Amino acid sequence: DAKTTQPTSMDCAEGRAANLPCNHSTISGNEYVYWYRQIHSQGPQYIIHGLKNNETNEMASLIITEDRKSSTLIRPHATLRDTAVYYCIVRVAGSNDYKLSFGAGTTVTVRA
Amino acid sequence: EPEVTQTPSHQVTQMGQEVILRCVPISNHLYFYWYRQILGQKVEFLVSFYNNEISEKSEIFDDQFSVERPDGSNFTLKIRSTKLEDSAMYFCASKRALANYGYTFGSGTRLTVV
Repeated sequence: DAKTTQPTSMDCAEGRAANLPCNHSTISGNEYVYWYRQIHSQGPQYIIHGLKNNETNEMASLIITEDRKSSTLIRPHATLRDTAVYYCIVRVAGSNDYKLSFGAGTTVTVRA
Repeated sequence: EPEVTQTPSHQVTQMGQEVILRCVPISNHLYFYWYRQILGQKVEFLVSFYNNEISEKSEIFDDQFSVERPDGSNFTLKIRSTKLEDSAMYFCASKRALANYGYTFGSGTRLTVV
């Protein structure tokens, strides 16, 4: 699976959009981008995934650049409860059974 | 919303003792996983389980570890002879059959080996 690079940390003001970048310059055509987050001491939580089109669900939007070398997770109206470590993970599509390789992620702190 | 349930939430055990960590995955999920996270470190894959057998395991998952789905609902991780370095949060996860679907993780069991 391709390697990802994320900022170590970032702050966000409550009520504003949190925009989390991820670089995956070595991504191949059959690899998906996944985002998970881990609120302190809890299990990771799936947020969203995409291949090449932008995706939106009830939790967030995922914007993938046309060359697919980077993506941005957008949490539109951040709350204090969105303070967490956010992980960007790339994996090959198609396998029903797959493991996730977690990096260090981005520690996001939402401030009042 | 369906949840993955893990018990106990915290387990303290003496070095050398056996422990069993329990998980109840989501009922219509077919793929099951254990991950662990040592305090302050990354989440690490241990093992995946499908169709009543291990499908993949990491280097961490050595002979002292085993997994079982004894009754069609529970999914257990056994550590035969615990070591101090086994102290960690252990997360169970499950996934539906659809290839690119995300995982659902449990809230974890904090294992402390003393």
